[in-house]
Amino acid sequence: DQQVKQNSPSLSVQEGRISILNCDYTNSMFDYFLWYKKYPAEGPTFLISISSIKDKNEDGRFTVFLNKSAKHLSLHIVPSQPGDSAVYFCAASDEGGSQGNLIFGKGTKLSVKP
Amino acid sequence: EAQVTQNPRYLITVTGKKLTVTCSQNMNHEYMSWYRQDPGLGLRQIYYSMNVEVTDKGDVPEGYKVSRKEKRNFPLILESPSPNQTSLYFCASSLSWVNKNIQYFGAGTRLSVL
Repeated sequence: DQQVKQNSPSLSVQEGRISILNCDYTNSMFDYFLWYKKYPAEGPTFLISISSIKDKNEDGRFTVFLNKSAKHLSLHIVPSQPGDSAVYFCAASDEGGSQGNLIFGKGTKLSVKP
Repeated sequence: EAQVTQNPRYLITVTGKKLTVTCSQNMNHEYMSWYRQDPGLGLRQIYYSMNVEVTDKGDVPEGYKVSRKEKRNFPLILESPSPNQTSLYFCASSLSWVNKNIQYFGAGTRLSVL
């Protein structure tokens, strides 16, 4: 059973507009959440993270929101740029767990049109 | 330049022929990990290592072996590859078990088993 779900395989946005990527999780023990970005023929790169003690974390054009009661997080990119076109993976971990490995979602492919 | 290097980048082999995918990092990282990425399944962890001579199974370890004889290297071994191991493989490293969530990924190895 998938513990981290990204239900939108793809998203297309116009340059300059907001991109909103969504992620849901089922494991209530998850307490740390991350977004990774992946370009074709490259490995994923860390983008932004949030601890469960916060509900928002911002880094430049990227903001992650966490709604613990809904077990939902989202990544907002404002304004979107063509260079943001990539696959975005949501990931979660149970920091306090004995194993605590990262669990990834399936990814959402973002296309930003000029 | 800080990096995680995987070799080879592309590999076509036949069922049953043992192969090794090498992974090396130059950041003196303690934690290393192997993932596979399959269409519709996202990234799934195969094995991880918290430090030299310390390895443990991830979510999909069947059919794989690893070793961690020195800090910088973490090879992935397929003793008898099968077609269901056709996949895109990523090696990753992070500073330590405590920092395991923020991982640096290699560029990937695309493996086809015929």
